[in-house]
Parts: sequence; C-alpha cells; structure tokens
Amino acid sequence: EPEVTQTPSHQVTQMGQEVILRCVPISNHLYFYWYRQILGQKVEFLVSFYNNEISEKSEIFDDQFSVERPDGSNFTLKIRSTKLEDSAMYFCASSGGQSSNQPQHFGDGTRLSIL
Amino acid sequence: AQKITQTQPGMFVQEKEAVTLDCTYDTSDPSYGLFWYKQPSSGEMIFLIYQGSYDQQNATEGRYSLNFQKARKSANLVISASQLGDSAMYFCAMRQMYNQGGKLIFGQGTELSVKP
Repeated sequence: EPEVTQTPSHQVTQMGQEVILRCVPISNHLYFYWYRQILGQKVEFLVSFYNNEISEKSEIFDDQFSVERPDGSNFTLKIRSTKLEDSAMYFCASSGGQSSNQPQHFGDGTRLSIL
Repeated sequence: AQKITQTQPGMFVQEKEAVTLDCTYDTSDPSYGLFWYKQPSSGEMIFLIYQGSYDQQNATEGRYSLNFQKARKSANLVISASQLGDSAMYFCAMRQMYNQGGKLIFGQGTELSVKP
C-alpha cells in the first residue's frame, strides 16, 4: 500500500539554526499538509498546500516557516531560525482531494528536538 | 468555530471486550467528515475510519465502528473484541467539506490501555 515517507525520523538542532523536514507524499495525491504535535498534546494544523501554493495556514505558521515542493515528489517544511518551542513531532500528510470524505494519510513523523 | 472534544484522557479495557471512545464536535457547516486515527507509542498516525455528515448508516471497518449521532454531534468509536495491539492514543478529527485547504481539526485524544 502506498505510504507517505518522512525524513529524518529524528532531528536534533541547535536553537537559531535552520532545519528542513522532508516528505514524499503518496504519488497520485494532490493536497499536502504539515501538522505538529508537541509532546503529550493534540495534533495541530500548520499549513495546507495545493497546486504549488499555500491554501491555508494557521497562526503557528509564521514568517519563520516555509513550505516548498521543489520537484514532483518532495514536499518540505523549513524552519528558518528554530526556537526551543519548535520542539515537537512534525507530521506530513497527503490526500487525493480536499473534500470532507477524503482521508489524509500521514507519514511516521519527524521528531524535532531543539537544544 | 469548529471544535472536537474528547473527554476521556484515558480508558482501560479488558482484552476481548468492546470499548467506546467518545467524541463530540461542533460546527455550523452542514457538510463535514469525521475521522478516527490511531497513534501507537511508536508515534505514527494510522487512519482507522471515516463518517460523512450525510451518511445514513454508521461506518464500519473490521473491528471498528462509528456510532454517529448527528443531532447530538457525537461520533464515538467502538472497538470490538479488543486486542493488546489496540493499546494506543486515539484521535477524533473533523474536516469540513468546503474548507479551502481541507485541514483536519483534532481532539485531545484518548489513551486506551488493553489489559490481558
């Protein structure tokens, strides 16, 4: 069964450094998402992406964050200058459509630890 | 504003018994979808089951079924014949039909522990 792939599984970074989280969505999916989950808390929406542009972003997704689909397969989340509070699990998800009956399929996540 | 509420932080169930995990939601939109995801201790998010707001019948998927009560705005997950491997966090989520980006809104989750 096709799956969403995320790399790395764990990233440790010094505060203030840039970090890029990578995702390979399911190949025929058109809608892409990033979510984050701070340890012990619920999953929070960051950004949705379709047709090479951001469809929606949350308040969390400030100027320090950016997303890109540099080629036909990868979807990346960049955090320009990391802060301690960016430590979380980051999930990439993809969907075949944006209507309410389309499930989003999640990757296994990248655990980001900011020191 | 849309909201998902899961009021049970933790639940215990004996192996082979059934368990119900509660989920209530709030939305003013007539068209929406409700989803349940399982998150084992390893961290990945696994899609379990979907219920559409216009679906007449409750969704079922193997040992998972969704008790959908639209008037009460509840979408409880029922797991029958619990197995040790069912021990995990379970998240209820909602997605609106015409939301621009199709984002999911999650509840706080319920941690299920299955006892042998």
